[in-house]
Amino acid sequence: DSGVTQTPKHLITATGQRVTLRCSPRSGDLSVYWYQQSLDQGLQFLIQYYNGEERAKGNILERFSAQQFPDLHSELNLSSLELGDSALYFCASGRTWNTEAFFGQGTRLTVV
Amino acid sequence: GEDVEQSLFLSVREGDSSVINCTYTDSSSTYLYWYKQEPGAGLQLLTYIFSNMDMKQDQRLTVLLNKKDKHLSLRIADTQTGDSAIYFCAEKGDSSYKLIFGSGTRLLVRP
Repeated sequence: DSGVTQTPKHLITATGQRVTLRCSPRSGDLSVYWYQQSLDQGLQFLIQYYNGEERAKGNILERFSAQQFPDLHSELNLSSLELGDSALYFCASGRTWNTEAFFGQGTRLTVV
Repeated sequence: GEDVEQSLFLSVREGDSSVINCTYTDSSSTYLYWYKQEPGAGLQLLTYIFSNMDMKQDQRLTVLLNKKDKHLSLRIADTQTGDSAIYFCAEKGDSSYKLIFGSGTRLLVRP
């Protein structure tokens, strides 16, 4: 158990819908990363927050957004969902912005 | 640009050593990581090495880094069936906030 908690574990939704994925980092970790894992794209970095502020953006679509709250938990919002958004979404946390990252178990999103 | 490459598949017999290789392109990489992903599970951080090190050993795991050739390897001694998983190499530059992952090497351990 890495100490990073993601909810829900599984999510099935229809195209066009909006979902919110939640991540609670390890106690004391200030940095939260979001990654998307799909069969064709591998592990893609989406976005990183550090102590409530966005620090880096990767291949995140405009339909996707994220935030980190004062209690340091983070949410990833995915809207206008398409079939191709079906993937495993991982959250990871780290003590600071430049330390090793510990991953949660992921949320498996299926868009039908 | 940043790129991390790994071979896709490795099959070994139980009890043998496994060596998983990785190459990266970013010469400013400061941190290099190995993660393990079992079926249906998240990524488990196995070990990491700083770029100023050549080798790091942690129980059955040995990481070797050749910075000149930008080559990283993970050796698993006495490989067990429970080691069957996908192993990801990842790198992070000193001024970068993100981990760049390879495509993963699927390790199959035969009894």
